[in-house]
Amino acid sequence: AQKITQTQPGMFVQEKEAVTLDCTYDTSDQSYGLFWYKQPSSGEMIFLIYQGSYDEQNATEGRYSLNFQKARKSANLVISASQLGDSAMYFCAMREPRDGGFKTIFGAGTRLFVKA
Amino acid sequence: NAGVTQTPKFQVLKTGQSMTLQCAQDMNHNSMYWYRQDPGMGLRLIYYSASEGTTDKGEVPNGYNVSRLNKREFSLRLESAAPSQTSVYFCASCRDRTSNQPQHFGDGTRLSIL
Repeated sequence: AQKITQTQPGMFVQEKEAVTLDCTYDTSDQSYGLFWYKQPSSGEMIFLIYQGSYDEQNATEGRYSLNFQKARKSANLVISASQLGDSAMYFCAMREPRDGGFKTIFGAGTRLFVKA
Repeated sequence: NAGVTQTPKFQVLKTGQSMTLQCAQDMNHNSMYWYRQDPGMGLRLIYYSASEGTTDKGEVPNGYNVSRLNKREFSLRLESAAPSQTSVYFCASCRDRTSNQPQHFGDGTRLSIL
């Protein structure tokens, strides 16, 4: 069963505008973590932001914020004031406790194109 | 500041050949992971090791074996490579004391099987 769903294969945004990348997840655990990673065309995976399942406030990191709606099981990434360098693949991921450690599952990703 | 180091970066194999992908981390992390990334499918977990001495299957373990050689090193072996294993392979590590620890990734290995 799909545990992390990113319904937008591709998104376009105008430079300097805000964009929201969607992510929904499925888990029966009460304690879990949600992450967003960026993968530019060079291929490396860059950690952007984290949200814990017990965190009451939405996480923010600079121009990135995470719109966490626990009841709806969604964890959307909001990028404010888009820049050309934001063009990349973005992956949502969830970490669940498993077998004495934690296991992370990734969504299929959303490719973001920022237009000048 | 090496972080997670994967070798090799590129490899071409013939069907049926065997190969071991190497991964080492210098961050004293407990958990290590192997993923494959295929177009349109994101990252899929092949195997993981929650701590030294333990390994467990992920979503797509068939055709692979792993060895957690010590705390630093976690290798992935293809015993008899198949074209369906053509992919980009990422190794990752994580401290794992709490769930808010992000995974740190290597730069990936691009593997082509002819």
